[in-house]
Amino acid sequence: EVQLVESGGGLVQPGGSLRLSCSASGFTFSSYAMHWVRQAPGKGLEYVSAISSNGGSTYYADSVKGRFTISRDNSKNTLYLQMSSLRAEDTAVYYCVKDRAAVAGLGTYFDYWGQGTLVTVSS
Amino acid sequence: DIQMTQSPSTLSASVGDRVTITCRASQSISSWLAWYQQKPGKAPKLLIYKASSLESGVPSRFSGSGSGTEFTLTISSLQPDDFATYYCQQYNSYPLTFGQGTKVEIK
Repeated sequence: EVQLVESGGGLVQPGGSLRLSCSASGFTFSSYAMHWVRQAPGKGLEYVSAISSNGGSTYYADSVKGRFTISRDNSKNTLYLQMSSLRAEDTAVYYCVKDRAAVAGLGTYFDYWGQGTLVTVSS
Repeated sequence: DIQMTQSPSTLSASVGDRVTITCRASQSISSWLAWYQQKPGKAPKLLIYKASSLESGVPSRFSGSGSGTEFTLTISSLQPDDFATYYCQQYNSYPLTFGQGTKVEIK
């Protein structure tokens, strides 16, 4: 059974930093691109970042470019999102998401989602 | 960036109704479209991929159609479990983008 378990969310002050982790199990983690998608309270889904299966390619939405860094440790089956210079508008539930296809590249659509971790940026 | 626009934003329907949600892309995305269902407090769930392919385990009352810039998600006979918010997502090109969502409410 595929499981994605996020951790690391919490309350942080504007300008602060936070690192999210996602522990994956139930599939060959190193074969799949992975993604982060966020959802502000009461709002829709926003695509944040992607990383290829071997970590060689990454993508960032313009809204987080230069502030967030996605990475992965295939030996630990873990995905990360390092967030810095956080702003109030980064407040959201952050979902770790598995790509559908075991292919090279950044991926396409999503077949498994974690339960999400809430990040609140407020003073 | 490819903009995805869903209509309506909210839909009121009764159990047994046939429901159709539309998703329009700002440029052609061929058939590179997925649909997700999200219930309150839960993560989204994949329903449809490649515009019309039903994800394993998803009830056959869900169907998708379309190509190019116009797509539809149809629920043939709405069930109590189907009251939720639905999102389309294009994967023709990066950045991957979602529609704003369609909330299906009980009439």
